[in-house]
Amino acid sequence: SQKIEQNSEALNIQEGKTATLTCNYTNYSPAYLQWYRQDPGRGPVFLLLIRENEKEKRKERLKVTFDTTLKQSLFHITASQPADSATYLCALGWGGGADGLTFGKGTHLIIQP
Amino acid sequence: DTAVSQTPKYLVTQMGNDKSIKCEQNLGHDTMYWYKQDSKKFLKIMFSYNNKELIINETVPNRFSPKSPDKAHLNLHINSLELGDSAVYFCASSQSSAGAYEQYFGPGTRLTVT
Repeated sequence: SQKIEQNSEALNIQEGKTATLTCNYTNYSPAYLQWYRQDPGRGPVFLLLIRENEKEKRKERLKVTFDTTLKQSLFHITASQPADSATYLCALGWGGGADGLTFGKGTHLIIQP
Repeated sequence: DTAVSQTPKYLVTQMGNDKSIKCEQNLGHDTMYWYKQDSKKFLKIMFSYNNKELIINETVPNRFSPKSPDKAHLNLHINSLELGDSAVYFCASSQSSAGAYEQYFGPGTRLTVT
């Protein structure tokens, strides 16, 4: 069956450290993968997009990798801050944007001061 | 300026009623979506519209009917509401239906059916 798994429901990281979030998928062949941030009571906010032919993308303190052989994406936040605390969602996409995105359940990240 | 807006923010109603949720985007995007986020926070695509035309309907009961009067609006009408319809409904938009584009989400509508 098709599945998207994100590492443990909650992840506690000390401020200043690098937070690494995992997204694994089975029985999918996505053309691209996106990461979103969701705060309580709000809609998801887009962070990064990486295509199947790309290995790594960076944006400020954020980095995402995509390994289509392992069927895995890693999302890194360097120099983490308490303001980075949120739920982070991994989403798979296919050739056409009109297909919508298939989301994982998310990882709740807590950055402790 | 709000990019994607939804009304109402909260909706409490009884089983069997009919209700609508409105969505508007001012980004000039061609494609709009409805997602449902259940109590376990799982976000699932319901509908996708491109230039006012339905592209996908992901096995949603026909009690749910999306309507797109123009490219900037996508409303969701729900008939005969059931307890299991309680969830947060998100509207989203993206630049195009072709290729990989980020999606912009609205603030969500929390629907509670009693």
